[in-house]
Amino acid sequence: QKEVEQDPGPLSVPEGAIVSLNCTYSNSAFQYFMWYRQYSRKGPELLMYTYSSGNKEDGRFTAQVDKSSKYISLFIRDSQPSDSATYLCAAYPRLTGGGNKLTFGTGTQLKVEL
Amino acid sequence: GAVVSQHPSRVICKSGTSVKIECRSLDFQATTMFWYRQFPKQSLMLMATSNEGSKATYEQGVEKDKFLINHASLTLSTLTVTSAHPEDSSFYICSAINYRDRGPEDYGYTFGSGTRLTVV
Repeated sequence: QKEVEQDPGPLSVPEGAIVSLNCTYSNSAFQYFMWYRQYSRKGPELLMYTYSSGNKEDGRFTAQVDKSSKYISLFIRDSQPSDSATYLCAAYPRLTGGGNKLTFGTGTQLKVEL
Repeated sequence: GAVVSQHPSRVICKSGTSVKIECRSLDFQATTMFWYRQFPKQSLMLMATSNEGSKATYEQGVEKDKFLINHASLTLSTLTVTSAHPEDSSFYICSAINYRDRGPEDYGYTFGSGTRLTVV
């Protein structure tokens, strides 16, 4: 079982739709959770970072963490064609001096169509 | 914000030659840099972790003699693919973080733009 599971998609939605991207994780030591966006042939770009359970909002993006069920989500409101990319969830344990590794999900490919 | 520059963005080399990829943190000192490999439509696979001034720690299954990593300064890490073969063709990405200066609320890892290596 992978430590972070993510549906690879592809996911296709019409412009303006609300997108829901999800991941589950199995390692209880994970404390920090991130969502990255990766355009084709580019490096990942950090979108959201969360630590505690609950919601964190940044513009059209909302990250949600439920540590009791080990479930993390990213919601995109009013999706735009420019949101078309691969979205990677990632997690790592609480830092104790550095060197902790990010564990990535496989990424969900999103396409927002006109 | 933190910026990581990676060069070259694309390289084509002949089988048997070596290729060096550079990863630089432009506006912060990177205490730790990570090197990843990504195959098409797959996630990032961590190859190794390098701390400034010390030897890199390689993940299981990664040949350290083939993928040489040097993290000689707080702003530069290099990955050298030695005696490259077609199966080494892939997308290589670095990321960097400064554990000393970042607080708990700012633990995002910054990634470079990646290097597409094609070995012919």
